[in-house]
Formats: sequence, C-alpha cells, structure tokens
Amino acid sequence: TAGITQAPTSQILAAGRSMTLRCTQDMRHNAMYWYRQDLGLGLRLIHYSNTAGTTGKGEVPDGYSVSRANTDDFPLTLASAVPSQTSVYFCASSDSGQNTGELFFGEGSRLTVL
Amino acid sequence: GQNIDQPTEMTATEGAIVQINCTYQTSGFNGLFWYQQHAGEAPTFLSYNVLDGLEEKGRFSSFLSRSKGYSYLLLKELQMKDSASYLCAVMDSNYQLIWGAGTKLIIKP
Repeated sequence: TAGITQAPTSQILAAGRSMTLRCTQDMRHNAMYWYRQDLGLGLRLIHYSNTAGTTGKGEVPDGYSVSRANTDDFPLTLASAVPSQTSVYFCASSDSGQNTGELFFGEGSRLTVL
Repeated sequence: GQNIDQPTEMTATEGAIVQINCTYQTSGFNGLFWYQQHAGEAPTFLSYNVLDGLEEKGRFSSFLSRSKGYSYLLLKELQMKDSASYLCAVMDSNYQLIWGAGTKLIIKP
C-alpha cells in the first residue's frame, strides 16, 4: 500500500528559484495538509485542503501556494525560494475534513535553499 | 497564545519503563494525539485521547487530564527500536492541530 508519496525526497535549490513539491495519496482521504518541520520546533501547518477544490492557509503560509485539483494530488509551490524555507516538508492526509482523524504522513521532502 | 510543552530529551534503559509528559494551553480542546517519529522518517500515529483517563495499547499507554492540561505517554518493556522522537499534539476549538517540539527518547542497553 503506497499511502502518501512525496517527491522529491531531497533537493538543493538556489535562492530565487521556484520549486514544486509533489504529494499524492491513494487512500481517497478528503483532507490533505502541508507541514514544515524545523529543529526545536513543532510541526507547523503551511496550507491545508479539506476537500478537492478548496484550500486554506495554515500557521505559516507566506511564500507558499497550493492547489487541489483532485482528491489525490496536493502540490506545494515555492514561487521564489529563500534560505529560511530550508526545512523538511511533510505532506499528510486524513479521512475527516474536521481533522478529527489520524494523520497519515508522507516520508518527507528535505529542501535546502542556498 | 497556544503552547505545548514536553521535555526535549530523555534517556532510559532497555527493558525499563519511561513516562513522557506533555502539558498544554490551547484555545479549546478537541483531543490529544501522540505520534512516534524515528530519525529521518515520517511521524506515525500512536494514540488519541479525548476523555480523561488511561488508554492502553500494548506496551504503550496514554493518559489525559483535561482539567490539568496534562497528558503522558507511558512506554513499558522498552526496546531499542523505541528510540525515537515522541510528538504531542492538541486539537484546538477550530480543529487545528497544535504540535509540541517533540521528545527525543534515547534507549541504552
């Protein structure tokens, strides 16, 4: 069972360049999320989507955009990367738009912005 | 503001018992989660508490006291594979998850 697949696993990016992190799930979950994880901090929500066609801003949305054209895919785009966006990015899904259910995480994408 | 506090790091011995505490101050409460995260891997779900009391699941148990804003994760018969970070997260009144920074548990032989 694939669950959630993220790509790329890791990437080094020059500041000012754009980048899209891909996320695909095969569990038919309604809700999907993008988090970033930084040393010493808890997971921080960037953007979320409660259902296909809708998105919302999380705690740290600036510099990021998302789209949810269908149930399975939830890409995260950095339009013009900055060094502070160096982080590990996790995509997650749950089967409840109310986020009352268990979160299933992808394996993460480690991004370094130089 | 909203806050989740848990110890940064703990060390325990293989075969022993360890208790990882989590205290929280949030805008409302709709449940508390514990996740396990091995180094370089994704978090995986361990437990969910919404009512006061102890939930037991094999070697792992989770306790909640809503009046005290307190939870703990109890790990028994520790194994080397339990070396990981343990993340506490609380769902607030808007059904948003607030995450603690995690507790790194080191198991020694």
